[in-house]
Amino acid sequence: QVQLVQSGSELKKPGASVKVSCKASGYTFTSYHMNWVRQAPGQGLEWMGRTKPNTGKSTYAQGFTGRFVFSLDTSASTAYLQISSLKAEDTAVYFCARDYGGSPYDDFDFWGQGTLVTVSS
Amino acid sequence: DVQMTQSPSSLSASVGDRVTIACRASQTINIYLNWYLQKPGKAPQLLIYAASSLQSGVPSRFSGSGSGTDFTLTISSLQPEDFATYYCQQTFSTPITFGQGTRVEIK
Repeated sequence: QVQLVQSGSELKKPGASVKVSCKASGYTFTSYHMNWVRQAPGQGLEWMGRTKPNTGKSTYAQGFTGRFVFSLDTSASTAYLQISSLKAEDTAVYFCARDYGGSPYDDFDFWGQGTLVTVSS
Repeated sequence: DVQMTQSPSSLSASVGDRVTIACRASQTINIYLNWYLQKPGKAPQLLIYAASSLQSGVPSRFSGSGSGTDFTLTISSLQPEDFATYYCQQTFSTPITFGQGTRVEIK
């Protein structure tokens, strides 16, 4: 069965970096885009961007350029989100979610369980 | 960017009620509209894609309609497990954007 399993919660100090992983199983990793979605405490869902595993190309939403980097290890069917120079406002749950590259509707049919990143001194 | 506006922001309903949630896009998005349900502390779950197509495994009490700028999610008979927050999402253009959410609470 399809699964996206994310790494565990992180507590970081301002200025540090964090790398969140999302390991996929149960499907052909390169056939689906991998999206990243942020949810700040008590807030709604915000799309950060996505990576197309078949090309390695990433698209970033405005506000998620510079300090945010998506990467892939296709041999391990794993996607990564790295955030550098962490700020208190980066405190949020980060979700990975796949969408089928061959569909025009880009619906996110499977999601990771979420990774809570807390930035505090 | 396409702005998505949901209404209401919250509602109270009873088990068995028919519930309707609206979602409006700031520009036409054809049928590139998806609906998700999120329970506290959990990841969102896809309910409806392409405005009206029911995702596999989702109960038939959920339905979606609309095209262009105005869309609706309907729950025909609210069940206890449906009390959650619902989000619409447009995928017509990037950046992909979500509505602010509609919280469905027990009356």
